[in-house]
Formats: sequence, C-alpha cells, structure tokens
Amino acid sequence: DAGVTQSPTHLIKTRGQQVTLRCSPKSGHDTVSWYQQALGQGPQFIFQYYEEEERQRGNFPDRFSGHQYPNYSSELNVNALLLGDSALYLCASSRLASGGAFTDTQYFGPGTRLTVL
Amino acid sequence: GDSVTQMEGPVTLSEEAFLTINCTYTATGYPSLFWYVQYPGEGLQLLLKATKADDKGSNKGFEATYRKETTSFHLEKGSVQVSDSAVYFCALSQTGANSKLTFGKGITLSVRP
Repeated sequence: DAGVTQSPTHLIKTRGQQVTLRCSPKSGHDTVSWYQQALGQGPQFIFQYYEEEERQRGNFPDRFSGHQYPNYSSELNVNALLLGDSALYLCASSRLASGGAFTDTQYFGPGTRLTVL
Repeated sequence: GDSVTQMEGPVTLSEEAFLTINCTYTATGYPSLFWYVQYPGEGLQLLLKATKADDKGSNKGFEATYRKETTSFHLEKGSVQVSDSAVYFCALSQTGANSKLTFGKGITLSVRP
C-alpha cells in the first residue's frame, strides 16, 4: 500500500518564477492538505482540497493556488516566487469518514524542498 | 484562533533517560490532539493521538494524556533510545470534516549513547 508521494524531491527557482508541486494521496484517501514548513518552524496550513474544490484556506496570499484531480491527486502552484517562499512543502492526505463529521488522521508525504534564489 | 505551545528546545538526553516534552494548547471546544515526529530528511509521521479528554495515546513506548483541565498533552517516554532522536511536533485539529492541523514549533530531541 503506497503512502503519500510527492514530486519533485528538491527544486531550485529564482525570484519571480512560478512553481508547481505534485502530490498523490494514500490509497483510499480523498482529501489533500498542503502545508509550508519553514526552517526550524512547525508546518503552516496552506489549504485543503476535497471533491476537486478548495474547502479550507490558511493565511496565505493568492499567489498560492491549488488543484485536485478526479483521481484525488493534487497540485500546489506558487506564482511570483519570493525568497521567503523557500521551505519544505508537505502534502497530507486523509479520508472523509461517513457522515462527514469525523476528522480522520492526516498522513504526510516526504515533502518537496523548494529553494528560491 | 487555535494555537499550540511547545517547550523550548533542543533537548539532549542520555540513552535510557526519561523523557518529557511539554505541550499546551489554546482552542475552542474539544479538539483532537496529536504528536508527530520528523526524522532527519523525512516528512512527518503520526506518533500518537487522543480525541477526547482523559484519553491516553500511546505508541512505540511514547504516551500522552489529553488533559482538558490544564489544556495540555505532554509527551513522555520511560527510556529513550538513540533512534528516538528527531523533531517532535504537537498539533491539534478541531473536530469536523477534515479540519486543518495547527502545529507547535517543534522540539529537537538528541539522544546520546
């Protein structure tokens, strides 16, 4: 049973460029959340996707956008990169339990290390 | 808004020492509480969780009890090993449909032989 996978592992970009990060959720999971982890800090929630729609969003600018495909995989796009966007980007997947009222455990991928020069 | 506060680190212990990592939270209602561990160069792994007051989560010798009265979820282990060296994050999420995780800053644990 494959866990959460992310690609690429590492990425180097320059200021002003755009980047796309990809995530495949754990088998049987339908919800994907993205987090940004700056060096020495805890992960910060960016947004969450379910049924191809953004359901929740953290305190991140519109430069951060996402997408979820019918197979539940997801992309995180960041436009007009800033030096401060350098971080480890984590994808987490979970499954919306029946009735939609229970928060299931989130399982994390290994992350994509983005460096902006 | 919700927040999680972890004790300042890093923490360095000798093998077989007792471990306590403090975690307190601020949140409305009755959130679920988690401890995640991050080994060098890897993503986060769920270590244990508790979903209601007085619940005790346990895994791999680690334990934490959900204390509503003190809004705490301290992580303990009776005898640490070198392989426990990692960064430990306390986190919470509100009950409901796939709510976000709110993390503390994390604490680095180093265990020396």
